Amino acid sequence: AQSVTQLDSHVSVSEGTPVLLRCNYSSSYSPSLFWYVQHPNKGLQLLLKYTSAATLVKGINGFEAEFKKSETSFHLTKPSAHMSDAAEYFCVVTSFSGGYNKLIFGAGTRLAVHP
Amino acid sequence: DTGVSQDPRHKITKRGQNVTFRCDPISEHNRLYWYRQTLGQGPEFLTYFQNEAQLEKSRLLSDRFSAERPKGSFSTLEIQRTEQGDSAMYLCASSLAFEGQGAYEQFFGPGTRLTVL
Repeated sequence: AQSVTQLDSHVSVSEGTPVLLRCNYSSSYSPSLFWYVQHPNKGLQLLLKYTSAATLVKGINGFEAEFKKSETSFHLTKPSAHMSDAAEYFCVVTSFSGGYNKLIFGAGTRLAVHP
Repeated sequence: DTGVSQDPRHKITKRGQNVTFRCDPISEHNRLYWYRQTLGQGPEFLTYFQNEAQLEKSRLLSDRFSAERPKGSFSTLEIQRTEQGDSAMYLCASSLAFEGQGAYEQFFGPGTRLTVL
């Protein structure tokens, strides 16, 4: 069975400092992994996805994530936080069976960015 | 706006009442998903349609829940005899995918927040 664990429920950073949101996954086969962001009163938006190509994945708004199979990790990073990055972030693994992909979400990490 | 839309955005109801939510996916998308998100948790898969066929239902989807996608376009999710535990955000997503291929991006709507009093 597939699952994800987001290691921090809350992360607080200062504007301009690096962001690290940690995610570990469990999968019985080579997974596809995603990071989604959820701003208040807005729909979930895809930040980036890993689908067995390059292990370092670049996404929107300067975010990137590195797939490390040996560590079963897919941490999300950004070199310099912006106030607009404050949101809820979800690490997601896909369970691909029966010809479709069902998204399995972590519990989320709330990112706070202060001046 | 050509994204996924959901209606209503908010619904407050009394325990025991029936409610129905609507989701309009991106027009060319053949797959439609429903998820439920409770406070402080990530979304959980409820059910999935390929065109008009409902192909899987989660164990979270009790007999009080029913979903339809009659013409392979919009979908409705009905909850009968609502309970306080049904209070949650109900999210709809759609994707375009071909048989045997996976990991296509799912585009999410803004959700319907249900409060059962």
